[in-house]
Amino acid sequence: DAKTTQPTSMDCAEGRAANLPCNHSTISGNEYVYWYRQIHSQGPQYIIHGLKNNETNEMASLIITEDRKSSTLILPHATLRDTAVYYCIVRVSDTGANSKLTFGKGITLSVRP
Amino acid sequence: DAGITQSPRHKVTETGTPVTLRCHQTENHRYMYWYRQDPGHGLRLIHYSYGVKDTDKGEVSDGYSVSRSKTEDFLLTLESATSSQTSVYFCAISGTVSSYEQYFGPGTRLTVT
Repeated sequence: DAKTTQPTSMDCAEGRAANLPCNHSTISGNEYVYWYRQIHSQGPQYIIHGLKNNETNEMASLIITEDRKSSTLILPHATLRDTAVYYCIVRVSDTGANSKLTFGKGITLSVRP
Repeated sequence: DAGITQSPRHKVTETGTPVTLRCHQTENHRYMYWYRQDPGHGLRLIHYSYGVKDTDKGEVSDGYSVSRSKTEDFLLTLESATSSQTSVYFCAISGTVSSYEQYFGPGTRLTVT
């Protein structure tokens, strides 16, 4: 699996967009980019995933560069409840049994009032 | 939120006693997983299931067993609890489209004294 690199932490003001970067320069053509987050003392939460096209859902947008070597998760209007550790994961998407998730250190997003 | 519950949510037990944690889902998803999360180790897969009575080991399966007699329930048993099994345990589920799109339960905090 391709390795991902994320900054350790960042902050943003409440109501503003939070742009969380992730580098995955060794990504293969069949590997997807997944984003999860974990709010303190809660279970990890799936946010979004994509292959090469930009994706948007009710939680966030995922922008993947054309060469697929990096991506950005965008929370359009961050709230205090978005304060969490955000994980960028690159994996081949399959339905096999070896579909364990491996979380790195992630990026800690702090949303300030 | 995905319909996943875990019980108990908190448990303190003594070394050498058996412990069973329960994960219950109402989503009829095929795949179920047990992870443990510890500081410095991130999320690690213990066991997973790809159908009723179909289970397999993850990366840290020693000292743990699982059973899945119904689609909705996945049990994790510590046959003889040890202090090294003090951890937060998360159950996750996924459907068949993309097994990395996993939905996590709220977690069980287990303390072995």
